[in-house]
Amino acid sequence: GAGVSQTPSNKVTEKGKYVELRCDPISGHTALYWYRQSLGQGPEFLIYFQGTGAADDSGLPNDRFFAVRPEGSVSTLKIQRTERGDSAVYLCASSRGGSAVDEQFFGPGTRLTVL
Amino acid sequence: DAKTTQPPSMDCAEGRAANLPCNHSTISGNEYVYWYRQIHSQGPQYIIHGLKNNETNEMASLIITEDRKSSTLILPHATLRDTAVYYCIVRVFGNQFYFGTGTSLTVIP
Repeated sequence: GAGVSQTPSNKVTEKGKYVELRCDPISGHTALYWYRQSLGQGPEFLIYFQGTGAADDSGLPNDRFFAVRPEGSVSTLKIQRTERGDSAVYLCASSRGGSAVDEQFFGPGTRLTVL
Repeated sequence: DAKTTQPPSMDCAEGRAANLPCNHSTISGNEYVYWYRQIHSQGPQYIIHGLKNNETNEMASLIITEDRKSSTLILPHATLRDTAVYYCIVRVFGNQFYFGTGTSLTVIP
């Protein structure tokens, strides 16, 4: 079956612009996660959705970052007034449920470059 | 919160067993240990997870010490395609994965 997909694969934008990154989880997976990975570092948790609601958004760095999942499937990560420090690979993952034993399946990521 | 400590890099000869250690001395009783790996330019890939008992699947074995303060991932016959960054993870705050910086494993021909 299809895995987690993310679009676009690459995004180049200018400082101050607004960007949206999309994640299509595995069909039927109720839990969805966003991570950010900077060069040479492991993925850093941003936000976790269970269904349509954000169950844990404690990893969002500031109020320029926002994510939605209106129908409990596709999710969009939105970044306002982008800064050069936002450049990173943004990873999305989904899991069947939200329990501690559920394996997370990751997408290939979106590489964001802020000039 | 439980965090993990891993060596930054390791080498392993092709065909030999790769043993990747991880310390998680502050792990809580109900926190699982997960291992993921990330091949360059790809998303992380699940390998194995466990709570108390040793686990084995088609990819690897996971050995967890009795006090649960450390674990070892074993790739029994490493191949060149196993070259990747390996992350030892414990669940924090219910659903977050804390990845750390992982171990960069290089399998040498």
